[in-house]
Amino acid sequence: NAGVTQTPKFRVLKTGQSMTLLCAQDMNHEYMYWYRQDPGMGLRLIHYSVGEGTTAKGEVPDGYNVSRLKKQNFLLGLESAAPSQTSVYFCASSYTPGRGNDQPQHFGDGTRLSIL
Amino acid sequence: GENVEQHPSTLSVQEGDSAVIKCTYSDSASNYFPWYKQELGKRPQLIIDIRSNVGEKKDQRIAVTLNKTAKHFSLHITETQPEDSAVYFCAARIPSYSGGGADGLTFGKGTHLIIQP
Repeated sequence: NAGVTQTPKFRVLKTGQSMTLLCAQDMNHEYMYWYRQDPGMGLRLIHYSVGEGTTAKGEVPDGYNVSRLKKQNFLLGLESAAPSQTSVYFCASSYTPGRGNDQPQHFGDGTRLSIL
Repeated sequence: GENVEQHPSTLSVQEGDSAVIKCTYSDSASNYFPWYKQELGKRPQLIIDIRSNVGEKKDQRIAVTLNKTAKHFSLHITETQPEDSAVYFCAARIPSYSGGGADGLTFGKGTHLIIQP
């Protein structure tokens, strides 16, 4: 049981390049989330998903797209990377149906992304 | 939406002393309040949480108190040790049935706790 796994761990991009961050969870969680963490800003929600095939915008969605084609995977895409997207990205998951609503979010180890 | 304020941003205490971190939230619909500890370069890890039907919860040296009327909650760490040094985040959750998307968390900006030897 690996929990929440993020790939890659580090990446450097040039402005205008595109890339996809992958999040995978093996806990049968319904809900998945993408956060970004910047110094002094805490964690801010980018997009989230309540189940396979569904996605929704969070607090800071601009410049990002997401997909949840399979229940265990949640992908975060940057179509045209900008220096303002330099950040640490965390994926999280929660909620197993039938176990009650109050379940904590479990985080991955993060992806450190630098845009030059 | 929810707004969570966290204070102080930095807290330095002597080893063995107690540390208290305070958070306030804006939306009375919030019903779940977790605290996360994040060591440098690591993932946030849940250390304790409290639900709105409980006023206080304790786990060994860590306790959390909740005042629903005043809309604030606090983390208390007693007998602090060097390994307690980290950044601590509070968060609040509006349940999805009250308009919170996927029971999404709103985080405070974090408190850097420094334990002085």
